[in-house]
Amino acid sequence: SAVISQKPSRDICQRGTSLTIQCQVDSQVTMMFWYRQQPGQSLTLIATANQGSEATYESGFVIDKFPISRPNLTFSTLTVSNMSPEDSSIYLCSVEFRDQYQETQYFGPGTRLLVL
Amino acid sequence: KQEVTQIPAALSVPEGENLVLNCSFTDSAIYNLQWFRQDPGKGLTSLLLIQSSQREQTSGRLNASLDKSSGRSTLYIAASQPGDSATYLCAVRDDYKLSFGAGTTVTVRA
Repeated sequence: SAVISQKPSRDICQRGTSLTIQCQVDSQVTMMFWYRQQPGQSLTLIATANQGSEATYESGFVIDKFPISRPNLTFSTLTVSNMSPEDSSIYLCSVEFRDQYQETQYFGPGTRLLVL
Repeated sequence: KQEVTQIPAALSVPEGENLVLNCSFTDSAIYNLQWFRQDPGKGLTSLLLIQSSQREQTSGRLNASLDKSSGRSTLYIAASQPGDSATYLCAVRDDYKLSFGAGTTVTVRA
């Protein structure tokens, strides 16, 4: 398993500003994922971030709006740019561990963002 | 595109009753299926993972079954306790990504 921390845990931001969310893992992982959970809805994958390569974005998400960094095997950041109230969500990072039997995803505690 | 549906959306039971949570998915070509628990204001906790070749997994009071051909999984929680109150999410993995259901919110009344 993994211990995943996120900063900040919550924030209230003004529209038009940007927020960078940090995700730290206590062990080295190849694949990290960023998800969004809008109020009352389930999780939607934003992008997959592999160390040393550009993030891969899912349909409906673009790099200009959600730039991602992955400088090493234990850390990643997601920036929510030019925020609007529609960006109010929980943002979660996730990592995947693989052993010879299975691949399991573990999640951080989430960052609760409210945009006014 | 994979669609994951969870029924019911909410469930309220008295303590001690068994819980049955359902998950269905549209594309049976999955790699595995994972059940998570989400507590208010918290992240996700992995409960059980079933590989596509498996029929069920058990952990304590939890048992999850998988019928890949019909696109269904069921999570059973025996002898429910108030501490089981949470939202339970089902997620299927195909290729590299997880597709989540909307969850079942469970309330266990003392």
